[in-house]
Amino acid sequence: ELKVEQNPLFLSMQEGKNYTIYCNYSTTSDRLYWYRQDPGKSLESLFVLLSNGAVKQEGRLMASLDTKARLSTLHITAAVHDLSATYFCAVESSNFGNEKLTFGTGTRLTIIP
Amino acid sequence: DTGVSQNPRHKITKRGQNVTFRCDPISEHNRLYWYRQTLGQGPEFLTYFQNEAQLEKSRLLSDRFSAERPKGSFSTLEIQRTEQGDSAMYLCASNSESNTEAFFGQGTRLTVV
Repeated sequence: ELKVEQNPLFLSMQEGKNYTIYCNYSTTSDRLYWYRQDPGKSLESLFVLLSNGAVKQEGRLMASLDTKARLSTLHITAAVHDLSATYFCAVESSNFGNEKLTFGTGTRLTIIP
Repeated sequence: DTGVSQNPRHKITKRGQNVTFRCDPISEHNRLYWYRQTLGQGPEFLTYFQNEAQLEKSRLLSDRFSAERPKGSFSTLEIQRTEQGDSAMYLCASNSESNTEAFFGQGTRLTVV
């Protein structure tokens, strides 16, 4: 059974600082996703990582994937308050067309002014 | 078509009542997924449809839960004899063979009182 672990679960950081969220998964996977979720809202897709060594950046967020280590990271650069949210990684397992996602427990990020 | 649509957005029901939720996927998507997200957790896979066929059900989907996708377009998720433990956000997602990235709806938040 595929397991996905994120750490830290909670992260409080000051504006302007850098930090990294880690996502480990237990079995080989086709692809990995990062999502953002605001309180009471649905999931907003941030990144889709398709292959080993993939790196994607959008604004102050950068995601990378190491399939050999079964590790993905989400790096936050010079954090701003607007980035406060819960971030989930999700690993796709494909079985005869069923690309279901297994999610991590999420990292609740709070940016302090 | 602007995305995956779910109705209602919020539902409050008394314990023991039946509830039904609807999901309209992106029109060209033949694959549809239901997930459940409880407070403080990541979403968990419930079930998967390819066209009108329900091809996988999670063990989380007890006998009180039933999902249908009668014409391979919209889907419904029914919960019979609701319990307080059913309170959660129910998320629907869809994708296709040509683009397996899942797109999520806004979710239906169920509160059982």
